[in-house]
Amino acid sequence: EVQLVQSGAEVKKPGDSLKISCKGSEYRFGYYWIGWVRQMPGKGLEWMGIIYPADSDTRYSPSFQGQVTISVDTSVRTAYLEWSSLKASDSATYYCVRRDCASTGCPFDSWGQGTMVTVSS
Amino acid sequence: QSALTQPASVSGSPGQSITISCTGPRSDFAGFAYISWYQQHPGKAPKLIIYDVDHRPSGVSNRFSGSKSGNTASLTISGLQTEDEAVYFCTSYVTSSTLFYVFGTGTKVTVL
Repeated sequence: EVQLVQSGAEVKKPGDSLKISCKGSEYRFGYYWIGWVRQMPGKGLEWMGIIYPADSDTRYSPSFQGQVTISVDTSVRTAYLEWSSLKASDSATYYCVRRDCASTGCPFDSWGQGTMVTVSS
Repeated sequence: QSALTQPASVSGSPGQSITISCTGPRSDFAGFAYISWYQQHPGKAPKLIIYDVDHRPSGVSNRFSGSKSGNTASLTISGLQTEDEAVYFCTSYVTSSTLFYVFGTGTKVTVL
């Protein structure tokens, strides 16, 4: 069974840096795009960006370009989402997703369990 | 990038059928060919229930079905059950944009 396992909840202060992770298992990790989705408390889903592990090709939503960095380490089958300076407005749950292009629309067939990030002074 | 518009809430009694709409920014929105739907229970990660407009992943109940007409995609839940109470999101792969995907605003389904 395909699994995406994310790192645990984080509590940080404004201005802190943070890197959260998403480890894939039971599939060919390098050959499926891994994306990141934000869900602010009580709100909907927002597309942040995506990375192709085999060559680290990375695309960002214009809303998140320059605000976060997406990276990957194929040796440990893990994708990352990173902030250099957190803001209170970054408080949210972040999901990693696997993009499955076996079908035309490339849906997100597997989701991580989510990482809750709280930024508060 | 504009979100896809969904009704904030839809409700129904057990056994009834309900339909959730997902409206795009314009009638020629190419992304409607790639609509998928996700179910999210409180405190849980979303789960894929429909992809490519009207296809169900293995293991998803056939009470869930999808369709589209013009600039509106729809998710129908037939034989509504209490476990269907959740939030449902549509999303689309936007091929002509670097954004890649746009999400719907989400619909809370309540089983009365």
